[in-house]
Amino acid sequence: AQKVTQAQTEISVVEKEDVTLDCVYETRDTTYYLFWYKQPPSGELVFLIRRNSFDEQNEISGRYSWNFQKSTSSFNFTITASQVVDSAVYFCALSQATSGTYKYIFGTGTRLKVLA
Amino acid sequence: EPEVTQTPSHQVTQMGQEVILRCVPISNHLYFYWYRQILGQKVEFLVSFYNNEISEKSEIFDDQFSVERPDGSNFTLKIRSTKLEDSAMYFCASNRDPSYNEQFFGPGTRLTVL
Repeated sequence: AQKVTQAQTEISVVEKEDVTLDCVYETRDTTYYLFWYKQPPSGELVFLIRRNSFDEQNEISGRYSWNFQKSTSSFNFTITASQVVDSAVYFCALSQATSGTYKYIFGTGTRLKVLA
Repeated sequence: EPEVTQTPSHQVTQMGQEVILRCVPISNHLYFYWYRQILGQKVEFLVSFYNNEISEKSEIFDDQFSVERPDGSNFTLKIRSTKLEDSAMYFCASNRDPSYNEQFFGPGTRLTVL
């Protein structure tokens, strides 16, 4: 069965602190894709990153970085020097090649509050 | 930059009424999806559509729901007889080749059933 777990329901940090959002996934497939989306208070889903199962290289994009570890089935997201504008709900998602449709399975999300 | 659009942004309806949520996917995309997010909860897959037919649907997508691509540009979700528990944000998404790129999400339609 496929599943995405985001154990942190809500995290509060003070501006400029670093914060890591955890994502653990379950799948039997060898080919799959992992994603992070940001949902600001306005409600839309903003794409942040896509990673396929064969690419375990970590990625950095500005203040954002992602750590993909197949050995622990985790795809964690770190924001460095957080800002108030980072306040949002962050969703991790999994999509599998064998589903045929590549539908997304989302985690329950982590609400990040960055305090000034 | 091309984007997925959805109308209306907010729909209020009475229980038992039919609603149609509309989406215009990105023009050269081939795979289409509807997702639902009940307030404060996670985003859930409803249905996927490819080659003019449903390719997969979830348990949520019962006989009250239907999808259609009536022309070359629109992709609609119909709820035949709305229930209070259908109140949610509905997201449309599209993709050209899921093995190469992410789904592109629309801004969502907030459905409120009274």
